Amino acid sequence: QKEVEQDPGPLSVPEGAIVSLNCTYSNSAFQYFMWYRQYSRKGPELLMYTYSSGNKEDGRFTAQVDKSSKYISLFIRDSQPSDSATYLCACQGGSEKLVFGKGTKLTVNP
Amino acid sequence: DAGVTQSPTHLIKTRGQQVTLRCSPKSGHDTVSWYQQALGQGPQFIFQYYEEEERQRGNFPDRFSGHQFPNYSSELNVNALLLGDSALYLCASSLSRRGTNQPQHFGDGTRLSIL
Repeated sequence: QKEVEQDPGPLSVPEGAIVSLNCTYSNSAFQYFMWYRQYSRKGPELLMYTYSSGNKEDGRFTAQVDKSSKYISLFIRDSQPSDSATYLCACQGGSEKLVFGKGTKLTVNP
Repeated sequence: DAGVTQSPTHLIKTRGQQVTLRCSPKSGHDTVSWYQQALGQGPQFIFQYYEEEERQRGNFPDRFSGHQFPNYSSELNVNALLLGDSALYLCASSLSRRGTNQPQHFGDGTRLSIL
């Protein structure tokens, strides 16, 4: 079993839709949880960075962490064509190493 | 404020050759991590450098080696290249603070193709 599981999609939604992206993880030592956005031929761009369980909101983006079920989510409200990208979840324990999911490719259609 | 910069952006090599990739961290950052991202996959951790020492290493063979310089920039070296080494190589930088993790910020990577 991989340490971080993420449905690779692809996911296609109409403009304005609410998008839900999810990951599960198996390592109880993970304490920090991140979402990165990666456009084609670019590096990952940090979107959200959270510690332990709870919610964090930044504009149209909301990150949720449920450590009891080892489940992390990213919600995108009022999705835009510019949100079309691959979204990567990442987990981090006491070490500095990031463990990534495979990424979910999202397309938002105008 | 310059972000993480990597060079070159693209590189084509043949099997058996050696390659050096370079990374300059974001201003104010002192820690550099390297990741390998194969097509359609998430990045895989190679190793991390802090204070010019390798602090942590992922599951990569000794053909992969690195270095960090006093100005915090870093190099990734890969010897005896294999076809399977074709990937996007990403550098990430962060600031090390005792007792707390800091987020890692990525460059746009070097795309390495092995023929």
